[in-house]
Amino acid sequence: GESVGLHLPTLSVQEGDNSIINCAYSNSASDYFIWYKQESGKGPQFIIDIRSNMDKRQGQRVTVLLNKTVKHLSLQIAATQPGDSAVYFCADTTGNQFYFGTGTSLTVIP
Amino acid sequence: DAGVIQSPRHEVTEMGQEVTLRCKPISGHNSLFWYRQTMMRGLELLIYFNNNVPIDDSGMPEDRFSAKMPNASFSTLKIQPSEPRDSAVYFCASSSQGWREKLFFGSGTQLSVL
Repeated sequence: GESVGLHLPTLSVQEGDNSIINCAYSNSASDYFIWYKQESGKGPQFIIDIRSNMDKRQGQRVTVLLNKTVKHLSLQIAATQPGDSAVYFCADTTGNQFYFGTGTSLTVIP
Repeated sequence: DAGVIQSPRHEVTEMGQEVTLRCKPISGHNSLFWYRQTMMRGLELLIYFNNNVPIDDSGMPEDRFSAKMPNASFSTLKIQPSEPRDSAVYFCASSSQGWREKLFFGSGTQLSVL
């Protein structure tokens, strides 16, 4: 089946620095992508999404970049805060099912 | 908006017992999903309902698992009989347009089968 993978399982950043979390997907037909944040003991929480007709989308302190040529997705978090510590998942869909990556654990160092 | 509501939050049971997990989707959402999360396999889709009708249950592990959605505001996932390998966190999620819109997840049910 199709897969969505993450380059790094863990990431540690200093508070105030910017964070970049990467994700590779394999299905070139994927047309919708979502980033989720999951804190310990909670369900995944929607952060930001992007459709394949865009290559960049910005939210509050977060930006998602989509490179369809190399099938790569990234989540940028500006001025990372301790509350950003969590596991981040990317997910893609071709309209058939959401495929979730294995997740990247982000730790923010005070 | 109350979000997706799941119960119970934690369930500890003995092997062979029946387990029923419950979910109330966000009002107005017409799609409901049951996921299972484990360290080894991550998030796995078990079953997907659209307008209360099961559309894709290919992720249901075996006949011991069953899910129902009797109305737009309630769904259950039942495991009978339960086994230790069923231990996981079970999430319910809902969306307004199936796979075309973001999923909203509940807080999950932590299931431990002893």
